[in-house]
Amino acid sequence: QVQLQQSGPGLVKPSQTLSLTCVISGDSVSSNSAAWNWIRQSPSRGLEWLGRTYYRSKWYNDYAVSVKSRVTITPDTSKNQFSLQLNSVTPEDTAVYFCARHTKAATGARMVDYWGQGTLVTVSS
Amino acid sequence: EIVLTQSPGTLSLSPGERATLSCRASQSVSSSDLAWYQQKPGQAPRLLIYGASSRATGISDRFSGSGSGTDFTLTISRLEPEDFAVYYCQQYDSSPSCSFGQGTKLEIK
Repeated sequence: QVQLQQSGPGLVKPSQTLSLTCVISGDSVSSNSAAWNWIRQSPSRGLEWLGRTYYRSKWYNDYAVSVKSRVTITPDTSKNQFSLQLNSVTPEDTAVYFCARHTKAATGARMVDYWGQGTLVTVSS
Repeated sequence: EIVLTQSPGTLSLSPGERATLSCRASQSVSSSDLAWYQQKPGQAPRLLIYGASSRATGISDRFSGSGSGTDFTLTISRLEPEDFAVYYCQQYDSSPSCSFGQGTKLEIK
């Protein structure tokens, strides 16, 4: 059974950096069949995919266009975890942030099958 | 960018009734890349259906998905009290990113 456990501060000041970590159990961040994502949810933007990191003989990252200039997702193989950094935050970045595993079924169907518990991050001075 | 539009926004039904939720895409989506999720207050979304019609592990057979192209449907055959929640569709066609619909709230009538 895969479990994702998130941690990080719930309050960040405007212009500072939001940092969250997701510890993986029951799978490996270096898995050749999974991708590790950050997704956020707010009343104004709904569910919004931010980006992912994955390993296919080497490490790859993909980011949403909306945050590409401000976001970094980093794997840590020694701790079997991955992290989100979002720079220069504004109150519009206030949301519940989820880490999640993306995988592909034998049929080729893609899905997000495991989610972290979510972290409410408020951007406020 | 593919936009998913879910309808209705809110669906009011009674336990035992049948629920039909719609997800319409702004352009054709591969059936392999369409999934449905259930979310309850204070919880993360839970995968129900992937590949438009395959149930995820442990999901009741009361839940079924169908559709192709731009029109997809989630059907809950006989509503149980625990089914009242918000439901989202999701697509992967704009890989590497994915997008979600705005959700349908299923509430007790």
